[in-house]
Amino acid sequence: EVQLVDSGGGLVQPGGSLRLSCAASGFTFNRWNMHWVRQAPGKGLEWVSYISSSSITTYYIDSVKGRFTISRDNGKNSLYLEMNNLRDEDTAVYFCARGHPIVAGASDLWGRGTLVTVSS
Amino acid sequence: DIRVTQSPSSLSASVGDRVTITCRASQNIGNYLNWYQQKPGEAPSLLIYGASSLHDDVPSRFRGSGSGTDFTLTISSLQPEDFASYYCQQSYNVVPWTFGQGTRVEV
Repeated sequence: EVQLVDSGGGLVQPGGSLRLSCAASGFTFNRWNMHWVRQAPGKGLEWVSYISSSSITTYYIDSVKGRFTISRDNGKNSLYLEMNNLRDEDTAVYFCARGHPIVAGASDLWGRGTLVTVSS
Repeated sequence: DIRVTQSPSSLSASVGDRVTITCRASQNIGNYLNWYQQKPGEAPSLLIYGASSLHDDVPSRFRGSGSGTDFTLTISSLQPEDFASYYCQQSYNVVPWTFGQGTRVEV
C-alpha cells in the first residue's frame, strides 16, 4: 500500500526540541520530493519545508528558518524534521507530504499527521 | 510572499447543489493553483493541480478553472461525502507555497 506514516510529535516546553519522522512505503521514495505542512488547531494549512529527492535543495518558510532542519534517508525510506527552539506558535499537526511529480509545490500523498504541542 | 485570498470562508449547501469556491492570488501565478479537500480529523487530499487537472480517482463533478490571479473550484452536484473543508494553494516558482484560508462546506 502506498502510504506515509508520520510520528514523533508530543508535548514540549518552549525552547525545546523535537524530531519528527515520516516513513514511506509502497513507492520508490528516492524519486520523490517531499514536504512538511502544518495545521494549527482549528486553523488552515501552512507549508513549512521542502526537500528534493536527492537532498540537494531545501526550502523553509521564514518563521522556521534557522530553527528547523528537513532531511531524509533514502536508504531507510524516511523523511525527518528536526525542530529546535520551539515556540508556542509552532503548536500544530505536522503532515509529511509527497511532492507532486509535475507541480513542485503541490502534494499528492499525505501522512495522517503528528501533533506537536509547545507549552509550559 | 504571494497571498491567496479564498472565499467564502464557509457556506451552507444541500445535496445536489452546485457549489463554487474562489481563490484570488496577489500576483499572476499562471496556472500554478491547486485544490485540496480535508475532512475533520483527516489529512488533506489533492483534488486538482495546475488549476484544472483532476488528480487520480477524483470524481468528475469537481472542476477547477482560472488562470493568472483568479481561480474557481466548482462542485457540480454536491454529494454527502463532499461536506468538508477545501483549500487552494499557489505553487508558483517561489516559496513559500501559500494556502488560502479555507472554505468549510456544511449542511
